[in-house]
Amino acid sequence: EDKVVQSPLSLVVHEGDTVTLNCSYEVTNFRSLLWYKQEKKAPTFLFMLTSSGIEKKSGRLSSILDKKELFSILNITATQTGDSAVYLCAAWPLRYGGSQGNLIFGKGTKLSVKP
Amino acid sequence: NAGVTQTPKFQVLKTGQSMTLQCAQDMNHEYMSWYRQDPGMGLRLIHYSVGAGITDQGEVPNGYNVSRSTTEDFPLRLLSAAPSQTSVYFCASSYSGGELFFGEGSRLTVL
Repeated sequence: EDKVVQSPLSLVVHEGDTVTLNCSYEVTNFRSLLWYKQEKKAPTFLFMLTSSGIEKKSGRLSSILDKKELFSILNITATQTGDSAVYLCAAWPLRYGGSQGNLIFGKGTKLSVKP
Repeated sequence: NAGVTQTPKFQVLKTGQSMTLQCAQDMNHEYMSWYRQDPGMGLRLIHYSVGAGITDQGEVPNGYNVSRSTTEDFPLRLLSAAPSQTSVYFCASSYSGGELFFGEGSRLTVL
């Protein structure tokens, strides 16, 4: 059975700290790994990683994928209170002769950044 | 562009009542889906559609029906609500099933 596991499930840090969120996956016919940020309402897209070892970066956030060890990390440097959210990762498999499958989500990491 | 629009945002039902959660997108996406989100359970796929006239079941389809008569709309129907269906429901769309654009969610309580 395909699964995505995130750790830790929750994390409390202080402003200015650097955090690393983990996501491991076991997915048949893996295509890509996606990260989302969820504040009060809808998840919003952060990154999609398809190739191993290539870092994607957006401001203080960065992410990398290791397809050999089947995991991804999301780094946030110099955290701010506005980074407080649930961070979701999702694996995107291929299905049925190469057609796109549905995203398989982990349970999320709840990050709380204290002033 | 409105993106993905869900209505209603909040709803309280009694056990056995029926209702429809509406979802519309204006991005001409072929792929649309419904998820439910429960504490400690993450996002679980209920039903999805890869185009008008085509729907399929996800991980937790029991108790829910969908249809897709147009590219824009993908309503989710609860035929006989149960307390176990108390949840936050998200509609999402994408070009191909990867980068999903989510609606703001509908919080449903079944008493």
